[in-house]
Amino acid sequence: SQQGEEDPQALSIQEGENATMNCSYKTSINNLQWYRQNSGRGLVHLILIRSNEREKHSGRLRVTLDTSKKSSSLLITASRAADTASYFCATVGILTGGGNKLTFGTGTQLKVEL
Amino acid sequence: DAGVIQSPRHEVTEMGQEVTLRCKPISGHNSLFWYRQTMMRGLELLIYFNNNVPIDDSGMPEDRFSAKMPNASFSTLKIQPSEPRDSAVYFCASSWTSGRASNEQFFGPGTRLTVL
Repeated sequence: SQQGEEDPQALSIQEGENATMNCSYKTSINNLQWYRQNSGRGLVHLILIRSNEREKHSGRLRVTLDTSKKSSSLLITASRAADTASYFCATVGILTGGGNKLTFGTGTQLKVEL
Repeated sequence: DAGVIQSPRHEVTEMGQEVTLRCKPISGHNSLFWYRQTMMRGLELLIYFNNNVPIDDSGMPEDRFSAKMPNASFSTLKIQPSEPRDSAVYFCASSWTSGRASNEQFFGPGTRLTVL
């Protein structure tokens, strides 16, 4: 079953605008990660935010985490047509037995138009 | 590094046939994951290995699915017998896990399986 639920399911914006995607989850987490998937390709890791962090930046990406609300947001500033892709949040639960099991959300399909 | 390598990239088979998907993780990674992606169910974790040992196979849908990791550089996911509802894209991913740290996963390009 999906741990995270992304909102919105689909987003269409103009190049240069900012895109905000939200993710909600249900259980306690170790960290939360965002991934990007271009059509027909594998997922690519974008950014990781740990449970004791509230905000993180990487280039044009800004991620926030609110553990009290069990939610996260991904902001892409000054969007480009090349940002068109599906974006997934993935949570890592409290580890037991080793490994880092990711549970993915349903994804947001972002389309950036020229 | 070539990244995670999966083969074949595309597989078309008939119902009842055996299907074997292959994965070579990134050298040095100690965790390997098999996922299945469909429009209806999204991205699902099927099984993951840590140091070649299966840790969690609760996502394996049924006994028709099996996975092995005979060594640190190779894993297989087998479906026998295959059914049309197994049609999906199957991804392999690997990562480095140290103690309780969890890190990013690197995904392969996927195998698109079609069962007729």
